[in-house]
Amino acid sequence: GESVGLHLPTLSVQEGDNSIINCAYSNSASDYFIWYKQESGKGPQFIIDIRSNMDKRQGQRVTVLLNKTVKHLSLQIAATQPGDSAVYFCAENNLPAGNMLTFGGGTRLMVKP
Amino acid sequence: GAVVSQHPSWVICKSGTSVKIECRSLDFQATTMFWYRQFPKQSLMLMATSNEGSKATYEQGVEKDKFLINHASLTLSTLTVTSAHPEDSSFYICSARRLAGGSGQETQYFGPGTRLLVL
Repeated sequence: GESVGLHLPTLSVQEGDNSIINCAYSNSASDYFIWYKQESGKGPQFIIDIRSNMDKRQGQRVTVLLNKTVKHLSLQIAATQPGDSAVYFCAENNLPAGNMLTFGGGTRLMVKP
Repeated sequence: GAVVSQHPSWVICKSGTSVKIECRSLDFQATTMFWYRQFPKQSLMLMATSNEGSKATYEQGVEKDKFLINHASLTLSTLTVTSAHPEDSSFYICSARRLAGGSGQETQYFGPGTRLLVL
């Protein structure tokens, strides 16, 4: 399966502030979630993942929160930098669809200097 | 680790010609590779799933005779756009699934993409 977003929502933040990017997923059976970062003209880059038996996972400057009750995923970026400007996609491992990733529509993060 | 490469990175061709795009997992073996296409300002659309040594599984609406996929080895999959037309112009991205170590969870890593422009 795939998700197509015709208009990417945009989040604009000041350099140094924290960013929170949200994602709602659809399949309650999904047990694995990934955040990807895609810069213009490049392929998606793996940022962080989380399994459904966890509700929080931290990486370097990034934190992913998972709320299975409301099927919501968020990516928090601390001290946002200009290099963080990109489109961010969440993806869920959709078991009924054959263990494939289903992508959200994406959010564009713009960091103002 | 977990590097996926694509070649070429961009290609311009005339309408009616065929274009082959290679996807390689450089430092791991991938039993499964995926091909996506992405239009401007849109999310990734899965075209097909490619398993080493078997026929690819195509998503609904994707013509298998138009987009030929060959997964010849555990590190190489190719996508051939046959008789390309201007509407095939897009950004094609492959990904390879790698089995994570301790967790046993498979993670997909993406190539840098190939931009195709058909004139």
